[in-house]
Amino acid sequence: GAVVSQHPSWVICKSGTSVKIECRSLDFQATTMFWYRQFPKQSLMLMATSNEGSKATYEQGVEKDKFLINHASLTLSTLTVTSAHPEDSSFYICSARNGGGNNEQFFGPGTRLTVL
Amino acid sequence: DAKTTQPPSMDCAEGRAANLPCNHSTISGNEYVYWYRQIHSQGPQYIIHGLKNNETNEMASLIITEDRKSSTLILPHATLRDTAVYYCIVRAQAGSYQLTFGKGTKLSVIP
Repeated sequence: GAVVSQHPSWVICKSGTSVKIECRSLDFQATTMFWYRQFPKQSLMLMATSNEGSKATYEQGVEKDKFLINHASLTLSTLTVTSAHPEDSSFYICSARNGGGNNEQFFGPGTRLTVL
Repeated sequence: DAKTTQPPSMDCAEGRAANLPCNHSTISGNEYVYWYRQIHSQGPQYIIHGLKNNETNEMASLIITEDRKSSTLILPHATLRDTAVYYCIVRAQAGSYQLTFGKGTKLSVIP
């Protein structure tokens, strides 16, 4: 299947700092990318939907000024957690939709964020 | 998108077939059934999807009932590496393309 990468795979930061997570589709152009968050022992929760060249659509309860999403190209989307706090510690996962294929979504390996 | 119901956990002996059920009684005509799995601390992995016909690929088989209100994912010869949380998701093929994850079924393959 298609490959989606995330970088970094894990990050530890101090409270109040900002962290950027990259999501790349390696062998296809992703018209749409999605960002999810997963807390321990819970399921994935969709945070936002990002279409290339346009503003992201955020799910209810997700602060768009805190979780900045940029989707500047068909192969790259970034999520920036601004002024991170310990409660933002989570597993962040992106997925990319292969619009040129069968519209399947392929998921990245996830980024473990720990805010001290 | 329609909601799905799955048992929270199942065990399966290594080498035996694992049959994971999913109820989706409110599924509408244009919605597909998707199965993903998530191995611990990894991103979800696509397994299979179908509309109304049974489907098979190198990973699994998907059996959808005639009324489409339920389906079963079959792993024909489960291995220890198949231990994961399995998610059954119903989604329209067009539109927002969002996947809404429920709690899934935690499958434990036992030696």
